[in-house]
Amino acid sequence: DAKTTQPNSMESNEEEPVHLPCNHSTISGTDYIHWYRQLPSQGPEYVIHGLTSNVNNRMASLAIAEDRKSSTLILHRATLRDAAVYYCILSGAGSYQLTFGKGTKLSVIP
Amino acid sequence: DVKVTQSSRYLVKRTGEKVFLECVQDMDHENMFWYRQDPGLGLRLIYFSYDVKMKEKGDIPEGYSVSREKKERFSLILESASTNQTSMYLCATQPGQGYEQYFGPGTRLTVT
Repeated sequence: DAKTTQPNSMESNEEEPVHLPCNHSTISGTDYIHWYRQLPSQGPEYVIHGLTSNVNNRMASLAIAEDRKSSTLILHRATLRDAAVYYCILSGAGSYQLTFGKGTKLSVIP
Repeated sequence: DVKVTQSSRYLVKRTGEKVFLECVQDMDHENMFWYRQDPGLGLRLIYFSYDVKMKEKGDIPEGYSVSREKKERFSLILESASTNQTSMYLCATQPGQGYEQYFGPGTRLTVT
């Protein structure tokens, strides 16, 4: 599986936008970019995924670079409940498996 | 909303005991997964199932087996628990290949 690189940790102030980066320079043409997050003492939670175009849903936006070698998860207005570990994962269209890396631990400061 | 439930949140077992962890989903999803999560190692896939009675090994199947007799239920079995199987165990479901996965709350297993 192609690998992703994320910062170990990030901080944001409450009610400000957060941009979480992910590098995936070896991504293949059929790999989807998935984002999950894991709140303390809970199982991971699906956030968003995309292939080439930017995507929006009620939780977040996903901005994908034109060459697809990087992407950014955007939380438009961070709340304390967004404090979690965020995982960027590549997954082939026909793939069952998700390979979780270490993710980015997001802290939200009140 | 998808609901994935796991039989226990916390479990303490003794070395050598047979341990059953059960996962139940209510969304008719085809695929089900068992992961374990350990500090510094992240989530690792133990086994998954893409249909009733079908199973595939993940990255770390040694010491584990699984059973899927009904579509909604996927069990993880530790035949003879050992202390190195102390971990957080997470079950997940998936509607089909390439789709998002939905996780249960996890079972924290301690083997003494």
